[in-house]
Amino acid sequence: AQSVTQLGSHVSVSEGALVLLRCNYSSSVPPYLFWYVQYPNQGLQLLLKYTSAATLVKGINGFEAEFKKSETSFHLTKPSAHMSDAAEYFCAVPQTPGGFKTIFGAGTRLFVKA
Amino acid sequence: GAVVSQHPSWVICKSGTSVKIECRSLDFQATTMFWYRQFPKQSLMLMATSNEGSKATYEQGVEKDKFLINHASLTLSTLTVTSAHPEDSSFYICSARDRVGGTSNQPQHFGDGTRLSIL
Repeated sequence: AQSVTQLGSHVSVSEGALVLLRCNYSSSVPPYLFWYVQYPNQGLQLLLKYTSAATLVKGINGFEAEFKKSETSFHLTKPSAHMSDAAEYFCAVPQTPGGFKTIFGAGTRLFVKA
Repeated sequence: GAVVSQHPSWVICKSGTSVKIECRSLDFQATTMFWYRQFPKQSLMLMATSNEGSKATYEQGVEKDKFLINHASLTLSTLTVTSAHPEDSSFYICSARDRVGGTSNQPQHFGDGTRLSIL
């Protein structure tokens, strides 16, 4: 079964600074990969999805992620943080290719300082 | 976009009562729905996979007699927490995947969650 590891349970950046949230996957084949965002007291919302069509994936709210097979990574970035980006971010991967379950990372809480 | 409605968003009730949570896919049909539990500052823990017209598949350690799941139609799944106790207090989230190409290679659509507090 596949898994994902999110490095850093908390990340704090200043408003306007670069956001970098790390995710490494464990797989022998290029997987589908997802980033979700969760705002307080809400469910999860899809930010972006990697499907092997392109290594650089652009998502909503100015976020993007780059798939690097050599590093087994799928880090999430945003050039300039906004206060409204403060939330919990989850990296996710299918448990098995073509299966039904999704494996979520432990999550990274992003704090944005004024 | 695909919308999942979860109701209620907040429940406070006395110990020993049963609580039902509804999860509806509003603009798509969902053969499979998922129920998660989330503790404060933690990731989602899959409780069960709900399949339309058949019995739910529970994850190891989840009491199926405690957490009753019914998926009677392609747009509705319900989770009933029976004889709830304070330790059942948590944030419960449902999600659904469109029946068209609905494997885990496609993203899930999440409800906004239900905050359950048992006094």
